[in-house]
Amino acid sequence: QKEVEQNSGPLSVPEGAIASLNCTYSDRVSQSFFWYRQYSGKSPELIMSIYSNGDKEDGRFTAQLNKASQYVSLLIRDSQPSDSATYLCAVNRDRGSTLGRLYFGRGTQLTVWP
Amino acid sequence: DTAVSQTPKYLVTQMGNDKSIKCEQNLGHDTMYWYKQDSKKFLKIMFSYNNKELIINETVPNRFSPKSPDKAHLNLHINSLELGDSAVYFCASSRTHYEQYFGPGTRLTVT
Repeated sequence: QKEVEQNSGPLSVPEGAIASLNCTYSDRVSQSFFWYRQYSGKSPELIMSIYSNGDKEDGRFTAQLNKASQYVSLLIRDSQPSDSATYLCAVNRDRGSTLGRLYFGRGTQLTVWP
Repeated sequence: DTAVSQTPKYLVTQMGNDKSIKCEQNLGHDTMYWYKQDSKKFLKIMFSYNNKELIINETVPNRFSPKSPDKAHLNLHINSLELGDSAVYFCASSRTHYEQYFGPGTRLTVT
């Protein structure tokens, strides 16, 4: 079983719509959850972090975490063509350790068309 | 102003050679990492390093060796390069348990 799973997409939405990206993880001891955006040929860029159950909003982005269901999602409101990228879900499983290795999903490719 | 930097950006070399990639962060973080992103864009942890504590991921061949001269620097040395080592290598850093910030990556091509 893969540690972190995402729909590979591609996910295509029109400009102004809500894009919904989903991620599930296998290890119940996972503590921290992150969403990264990666443009082609560039490095991953952190856009959201979430540590407790519920919703966390930052501008047009909302991260949702449900530890009981082992599920984390990212909503992008008012999607813009500049949001077109690959979105990577990452999970930190190193509970009690100083070494926070991240385990990534394979990413969801998002295209926002004008 | 760069937070996490890596050199070189591109590295082309032949099989069997030994090469190093350097990473530096000016964020004052105490933990640094190496990740490998393969041709299918899958990003995988290789090492994490907090002061003198090194965690080696079990899938990394021992031809790969990280070295950290101080908290701001983490280098990656690769011996006897193989074709399968071709990938983009990313350095990252963080405060313990917090968000990780990635460098621009080093694209390694082994011919």
